[in-house]
Amino acid sequence: EVQLVESGGGLVQPGGSLRLSCSASGFTFSGYALDWVRQAPGKGLEYVSAISSNGGSTYYADSVKGRFTISRDNSKNTLYLQMSSLRPEDTAVYYCVKCSGVVPVYGMDVWGQGTTVAVSS
Amino acid sequence: QSVLTQPPSVSAAPGQKVTISCSGSSSNIGNTYVSWYQQLPGTAPKLLIYDNDKRPSGIPDRFSGSKSGTSATLGITGLQTGDEADYYCGTWDSSLSAGVFGGGTKLTVL
Repeated sequence: EVQLVESGGGLVQPGGSLRLSCSASGFTFSGYALDWVRQAPGKGLEYVSAISSNGGSTYYADSVKGRFTISRDNSKNTLYLQMSSLRPEDTAVYYCVKCSGVVPVYGMDVWGQGTTVAVSS
Repeated sequence: QSVLTQPPSVSAAPGQKVTISCSGSSSNIGNTYVSWYQQLPGTAPKLLIYDNDKRPSGIPDRFSGSKSGTSATLGITGLQTGDEADYYCGTWDSSLSAGVFGGGTKLTVL
């Protein structure tokens, strides 16, 4: 069974930093692109970032470009999202999502349960 | 403002059929495949339809998808109260080099 388990969420002050992790199991981790998608309280889904299967290509939403960095460790089956210069509008549940192919253009097929990030003073 | 446009809400009676539209452009829906996701209250989204019209294993054939040009449609027949959820369309936008979603449609089964 494919499983994605996010961790690292919490309460952080504006301007602060946080690193999210996503531990994966049940599939060949290095064979698939991965995404981060977030959902603010009471709002819809918002694409955040994606990374190709080998980590060679990364993609970002304009809203996080220059502040967030996506990375992966294929030897540890783990995806990361380093978030810095956090703003209150970054408050959301962050989902780790497996893509259907080696690059994110092929769509998302399995979602984790999410980890909550709250940015507030 | 979402890149893809969905109606905020739809409703229908149990047993009836409903459709949810998703409108985009030539750089997203018109250029690649569309997926649909179901988010039941308090849970993570789940893949419902991929590659415009394909169902993952375990998804009943009451759910269907189609695409024409720069628009896509999700259809649900034989509505059940358990289908009450938020539904999102999603795809890749080649101009943005990013994934995009619709704003979501809340389905109410009256």
